[in-house]
Amino acid sequence: NAGVTQTPKFQVLKTGQSMTLQCAQDMNHNSMYWYRQDPGMGLRLIYYSASEGTTDKGEVPNGYNVSRLNKREFSLRLESAAPSQTSVYFCASSEPPLNTGELFFGEGSRLTVL
Amino acid sequence: GQQVMQIPQYQHVQEGEDFTTYCNSSTTLSNIQWYKQRPGGHPVFLIQLVKSGEVKKQKRLTFQFGEAKKNSSLHITATQTTDVGTYFCAGWGTYNTDKLIFGTGTRLQVFP
Repeated sequence: NAGVTQTPKFQVLKTGQSMTLQCAQDMNHNSMYWYRQDPGMGLRLIYYSASEGTTDKGEVPNGYNVSRLNKREFSLRLESAAPSQTSVYFCASSEPPLNTGELFFGEGSRLTVL
Repeated sequence: GQQVMQIPQYQHVQEGEDFTTYCNSSTTLSNIQWYKQRPGGHPVFLIQLVKSGEVKKQKRLTFQFGEAKKNSSLHITATQTTDVGTYFCAGWGTYNTDKLIFGTGTRLQVFP
């Protein structure tokens, strides 16, 4: 039982390059999330998907796009990477808070933009 | 928008001392969760509090949810080196229950 799987684990990009972070969960959760974590800033929500077919902006959506491909997969795309997007990115999934609402996190993707 | 702040940002303690982190939300929360993140790791769920004034204990950890459901605290009694990490609170809003907003976190360092 893998839980939440993120790829790649590490990536180095040059300014202006594009890339997609992949996330898949095998817990049949409806909700999925993308957070970024910067030193001293905690976890900030980029985008979330409350259910298959829906996506919504979080706290810091600028410069990102997402796709909820199916119930299992939720990808995050950087169309034109900037140094300010250097961060650790975490994907997470959960059931709605009326149930447990506990978030299960992937191991993170460390992105460096030069 | 909803903001969740934590204090202190950092705390260094001697092993065996107690530790407390406080969490304050700008809006009323439907419930609050606590997570622990070890250095280099990912956040791991500790507990969820739902009721106003609720207190829950997990061994040496005591969690409290404020009466107004806008603040919370985590207290660790007699810290151990295994407690090292960053502790985050996270709140589900009352009106928007689709997204979980994390607090700024408190990084705990325990010296043996």
